[in-house]
Amino acid sequence: EAQVTQNPRYLITVTGKKLTVTCSQNMNHEYMSWYRQDPGLGLRQIYYSMNVEVTDKGDVPEGYKVSRKEKRNFPLILESPSPNQTSLYFCASSSRQGANTGELFFGEGSRLTVL
Amino acid sequence: AQSVAQPEDQVNVAEGNPLTVKCTYSVSGNPYLFWYVQYPNRGLQFLLKYITGDNLVKGSYGFEAEFNKSQTSFHLKKPSALVSDSALYFCAVRDGPGSARQLTFGSGTQLTVLP
Repeated sequence: EAQVTQNPRYLITVTGKKLTVTCSQNMNHEYMSWYRQDPGLGLRQIYYSMNVEVTDKGDVPEGYKVSRKEKRNFPLILESPSPNQTSLYFCASSSRQGANTGELFFGEGSRLTVL
Repeated sequence: AQSVAQPEDQVNVAEGNPLTVKCTYSVSGNPYLFWYVQYPNRGLQFLLKYITGDNLVKGSYGFEAEFNKSQTSFHLKKPSALVSDSALYFCAVRDGPGSARQLTFGSGTQLTVLP
């Protein structure tokens, strides 16, 4: 089954404790991206990657890091989480053609709470 | 700059009645327009898109959307609502051809279909 898998789905952590949210897709997609969803603000892009070893900042990259060492994986790293990073995070992927037309496949989300 | 607005946070409709979820946009060129749906505890799912051609676009689950250039709108519609249509709906826009990185999402509209 084609899917985008995120882990963990739920996480409560404390300020300053490094964490990683993993994202893996099994569709051989070139394009991957991370979003955060906050009430009243919709989805805002954090980072995206057009292919292996190619990453770039989205609209709200501060406080986040990413890497794309393999095509299927695109982890989101919070080196020193702060309470304003409490949010619902989504990973998305797309083929090169899908990326050009805006058709994204989304994971089920990771709800992060930073105390 | 591109932007999208969903003027209603919440829409309630009785089962069997027609539903409309509103979206207006602002771009400098020709818009690429999208609707996504988010069911509880799930990621976003692509519903439909308008790139060019017929102003009435048909998508998944019986949904359709009408592109109106003069009113800069792309409202989502369904002739007969189902309780299972209850979900959060996002409109997204991109200013012409490019990549999914350039999608701007609206803040979302919660649709509740009452039995």
